[in-house]
Amino acid sequence: DIVMTQSPDSLAMSLGERATINCKSSQSVLYSSNNKNYLAWYQQKPGQPPKLLIYWASTRESGVPDRFSGSGSGTDFTLTISSLQAEDVAVYYCQQYYSTPLYSFGQGTKLEIK
Amino acid sequence: QVQLVQSGAEVKKPGASVKVSCKASGYSFTTYYMHWVRQAPGQGLEWMGIINPSGGSTSYAQKFQGRVTMTRDTSTSTVYMELSSLRSEDTAVYYCARLVRDILTGEIGDYWGQGTLVTVSS
Repeated sequence: DIVMTQSPDSLAMSLGERATINCKSSQSVLYSSNNKNYLAWYQQKPGQPPKLLIYWASTRESGVPDRFSGSGSGTDFTLTISSLQAEDVAVYYCQQYYSTPLYSFGQGTKLEIK
Repeated sequence: QVQLVQSGAEVKKPGASVKVSCKASGYSFTTYYMHWVRQAPGQGLEWMGIINPSGGSTSYAQKFQGRVTMTRDTSTSTVYMELSSLRSEDTAVYYCARLVRDILTGEIGDYWGQGTLVTVSS
């Protein structure tokens, strides 16, 4: 199984600041034949199922604010929130789907307001 | 509209089994694979496995091999996840989820069930 490791485990930022969450996979999730990274980012708020934010490592899901962006390739990826809003307090997860049908998630990063 | 409706909360004793159901509606049941994901209290998401409702084939995370069984009933558009030899660490919310990442058609999207709390306690 591909192991996904996120850093940091938790993060406290001030409103309006830039927040960065990292995700590293134990093997590349870049599919060379189509040059796509099989990597997604999720946001989860208490009592709710996860919400898809970004797929193919950098494509925002419809309706997701443009302050959320994804970058990276191969084994190293980043989720960036350009200007933190109060409603962004949540736990964020990366997910690989390269080894379809086997998926896996990172352990999560808890984002709080300082 | 796509809906995934799961069965209600369960309380089980250690060593027992639990079977959680997930009834799908609003789309062609056999077209999309169904995943199962669990989340222990205060913990992260854990991908458990996947079932193809069309043929019934399954793939499971290594951690759950030998303890989990996923099945489906096409007549009722329902998938099932059965976990055996339960222990306290299996206490979690169990989600079914339709996660689509189709590179050929460009279709992307997630639908999640409401979650089923399984509590394992003596």
